[in-house]
Amino acid sequence: DARVTQTPRDKVTEMGQEVTMRCQPILGHNTVFWYRQTMMQGLELLAYFRNRAPLDDSGMPKDRFSAEMPDATLATLKIQPSEPRDSAVYFCASGLGDSHSYNEQFFGPGTRLTVL
Amino acid sequence: GQNIDQPTEMTATEGAIVQINCTYQTSGFNGLFWYQQHAGEAPTFLSYNVLDGLEEKGRFSSFLSRSKGYSYLLLKELQMKDSASYLCAVESGGSYIPTFGRGTSLIVHP
Repeated sequence: DARVTQTPRDKVTEMGQEVTMRCQPILGHNTVFWYRQTMMQGLELLAYFRNRAPLDDSGMPKDRFSAEMPDATLATLKIQPSEPRDSAVYFCASGLGDSHSYNEQFFGPGTRLTVL
Repeated sequence: GQNIDQPTEMTATEGAIVQINCTYQTSGFNGLFWYQQHAGEAPTFLSYNVLDGLEEKGRFSSFLSRSKGYSYLLLKELQMKDSASYLCAVESGGSYIPTFGRGTSLIVHP
C-alpha cells in the first residue's frame, strides 16, 4: 500500500530554533508539493518540485524557509529560525504529472508544528 | 491570480442529500478537483472535472460549468462518516498546480 510518509508527525519547539521536516514521496512519483494549513489561511502552497527540480516556491518566505530534494526519495522543508506564526500543519504531497496533465496529489499525514 | 469561493460550513441530516458549491475566477482554466479532509487527517482525492457536466462516482457526484466558473459536489445518502471538510481546488495556467479554496466544513447529524 504505497503512501506518502512524513516525519516527525508532531514537533514542538521554541522560537528561534531550526525545524526540519522530511517527506518520502510515493515511489515513482515525479512531483512533490509542500503545503501549510492553518485555520485562518487554509491550505497554502509553499513549494513544488518536478523531477527533483524546484519549479515554484513563490509561496514560501525565502528569508527563513528552504525546501530541497536531495534525492528522489526524500524532500525536506526547513525553517530557520522558527517563529510562533509558523505554527501550522505542514503537508507533503506527491503525484505523477507534467506540464500537460493534471496533478492528482497524494497527501502525507502531515507534521503538526507548534512554535512557542 | 485566482479567487475560489466556498461556503464555510454546512449542516445536513443523515440519509439526506447535500450540495456543496464552489465558484472561481481564473484565467487559463485547466481543471477542478474536490478533496475530502477529515479532522486531523490529510486531504484525499474525490474527483477531477475538466469538461462541463456531471460525473458520478458512487454516492458522490461532481459538476462543472466552465462558462459560469462554477462547480458543485453532490453527496447522496449522507452518512455520519461524511462529516469532513471538502476542498475545491482549481488548476489554471501552464503549471497545472492546483490552488485550494478554504474548504467547506460539512456536519452530518442524526
